[in-house]
Amino acid sequence: NAGVTQTPKFRILKIGQSMTLQCTQDMNHNYMYWYRQDPGMGLKLIYYSVGAGITDKGEVPNGYNVSRSTTEDFPLRLELAAPSQTSVYFCASSHSPGESNQPQHFGDGTRLSIL
Amino acid sequence: QQPVQSPQAVILREGEDAVINCSSSKALYSVHWYRQKHGEAPVFLMILLKGGEQKGHEKISASFNEKKQQSSLYLTASQLSYSGTYFCGTGGGDYKLSFGAGTTVTVRA
Repeated sequence: NAGVTQTPKFRILKIGQSMTLQCTQDMNHNYMYWYRQDPGMGLKLIYYSVGAGITDKGEVPNGYNVSRSTTEDFPLRLELAAPSQTSVYFCASSHSPGESNQPQHFGDGTRLSIL
Repeated sequence: QQPVQSPQAVILREGEDAVINCSSSKALYSVHWYRQKHGEAPVFLMILLKGGEQKGHEKISASFNEKKQQSSLYLTASQLSYSGTYFCGTGGGDYKLSFGAGTTVTVRA
C-alpha cells in the first residue's frame, strides 16, 4: 500500500546513545516533516524538507539532525539521546505547491524511550 | 505559536452533537483538521482555506472565520467511530502547520 513507512516502531535507548529513525514515502511527495508528540500533547515540528537536498528547522530542532538525499527518504538522527527526547515521533509528507493547503499523510510513528 | 483548542475533552452519547473550536493569535491561510485514535497516526479529515468556506466529511463539518482567526469542527449525530483526539493545524501560508493540543472526544453507546 502506498504511504509513509517509519522504522522502527519501538525502540529503547540508553542516555548518550545515538540512533536514526527512518522514514520513506512512495507517493512522490516533495514535502516531508518530522514531528514529536509528547503524552497528551499536540504535534511539534522538529524539521521539515521541501525537496531533496533542502531541509530547515521547525519549532524544536535541538538534539536532532536530518538529511534528504532522495525524494523518498527523510531520516531523523538523534545524537547523544537524553530522557527529554522520550516521545512518539511521526513522519509526514504532502504534495506541493508550497503553501499549507495540502493534507499531510502520517506514518504510524516510532515510540522511543530514553532510559 | 500554537493554536488554542477548546474544549480539552468532551463526552457524548451516540447521536449527540458537539463543537470543537480552534483559535489562533496570528493571521491564518488555512486550517487542517485531523483525528487520531489511541496509539495510531493522525488521519486527515479536511482542510479549510481563506474564504470562510465550510466543508464536510461524513457527518463532520467545519467552518473557518479568517477575520476571527478561528475554525470550528462540528460533530453531528455522533457515532462510536467518532471517538478519538481531534487536532487542528493552522497554516500561515508557508510550508508549516502549528498544531493545537487536541480535543479528546469520547462517544458512548
